[in-house]
Amino acid sequence: AQKVTQAQTEISVVEKEDVTLDCVYETRDTTYYLFWYKQPPSGELVFLIRRNSFDEQNEISGRYSWNFQKSTSSFNFTITASQVVDSAVYFCALRISSSGSARQLTFGSGTQLTVLP
Amino acid sequence: GAGVSQSPSNKVTEKGKDVELRCDPISGHTALYWYRQSLGQGLEFLIYFQGNSAPDKSGLPSDRFSAERTGGSVSTLTIQRTQQEDSAVYLCASSLSSSSYNEQFFGPGTRLTVL
Repeated sequence: AQKVTQAQTEISVVEKEDVTLDCVYETRDTTYYLFWYKQPPSGELVFLIRRNSFDEQNEISGRYSWNFQKSTSSFNFTITASQVVDSAVYFCALRISSSGSARQLTFGSGTQLTVLP
Repeated sequence: GAGVSQSPSNKVTEKGKDVELRCDPISGHTALYWYRQSLGQGLEFLIYFQGNSAPDKSGLPSDRFSAERTGGSVSTLTIQRTQQEDSAVYLCASSLSSSSYNEQFFGPGTRLTVL
């Protein structure tokens, strides 16, 4: 079975600060994908980033960056120079690639990020 | 293009009644998922459809829950004899295929309140 843990329930930062959201996952599958989704107050889940299990190269996309480390089963997400509009609940999710599986997303419990002006 | 749409956006019902929730996936997406988001349980997978294959119902919490997908497009989630613990936001998602690479696009959800 798969499991995703987001230990940070709530984080509050002041605008322009950098913030890192932690994610730790568990799976026995060797091929899988990790995702980050954002859920703003409007409620709709929005896809942010994706990383597959064979690619540990960390990347930056605009103000977003992520740090994937298989050795520690972590997939942390950083927002640089946070803005008030970044306030939302952020979900880390895991999707395995085993044939025959539904390949549904297994979500963490989410981290509520509040960016104060 | 149009995203995933769901209706109704809100549904209030009395305990014991049946409800139907509808999902219109993105055109051309063959995979469709239903999830439930509740305060105590977070985001849980319910059921998965891929093309014309038999659905994966492994996430359905009880036999009061069922879903169908007609013509490989629109899906309906039915909850019979609703209970208060069924109160949650029901989210539908679609993806281009069932490949794990493809991200899932989510609809706005249906907020179900069982009184």
